[in-house]
Amino acid sequence: NAGVTQTPKFQVLKTGQSMTLQCAQDMNHNSMYWYRQDPGMGLRLIYYSASEGTTDKGEVPNGYNVSRLNKREFSLRLESAAPSQTSVYFCASSEARASETQYFGPGTRLLVL
Amino acid sequence: QKEVEQDPGPLSVPEGAIVSLNCTYSNSAFQYFMWYRQYSRKGPELLMYTYSSGNKEDGRFTAQVDKSSKYISLFIRDSQPSDSATYLCAMSALGGGSEKLVFGKGTKLTVNP
Repeated sequence: NAGVTQTPKFQVLKTGQSMTLQCAQDMNHNSMYWYRQDPGMGLRLIYYSASEGTTDKGEVPNGYNVSRLNKREFSLRLESAAPSQTSVYFCASSEARASETQYFGPGTRLLVL
Repeated sequence: QKEVEQDPGPLSVPEGAIVSLNCTYSNSAFQYFMWYRQYSRKGPELLMYTYSSGNKEDGRFTAQVDKSSKYISLFIRDSQPSDSATYLCAMSALGGGSEKLVFGKGTKLTVNP
């Protein structure tokens, strides 16, 4: 099992460009999440999907859109990148119960110039 | 008041020391408590998981939860240089949509040989 995989590992964008971060999990989990991690700010939830076909906003959704393509895949799209979106992005997955822990991918480092 | 407070450190200790990492929280509905370890430039990985109050031990690691004080701790005995990482506490509550985790900002630990 690969667990949670993310592509790309690293990306440089210019302000205004768009891109999609990809995430896939092979653990048959119902729930998937996108976080960003910034120095001094910890992990902040951007969007999550409790189950296939549903998505909800997290703490910092502005400037992002998501798609739950199927049970395995959950993508994060930046339509018009801004320097404030420079961050490390983590995807995670879990069973859809509060008792279940989340499993994280290796992260995507994004630099917006 | 933030839902979860965690001293960011950094914390630097000599090899063999006992390390104590702590988080406080304000939401009395939290029932599930986790500690994640994050090595530099990697995704967080689950280290310890505790339900409700009490202690849990796993090798050199002990997790404690005191729900009356809204306080959780992670103890590392005989710390090793390989324990150098950022440690994040996380917690969740029962109830609808409560599969979301609330994270502390993380404490950076360095164990010096």
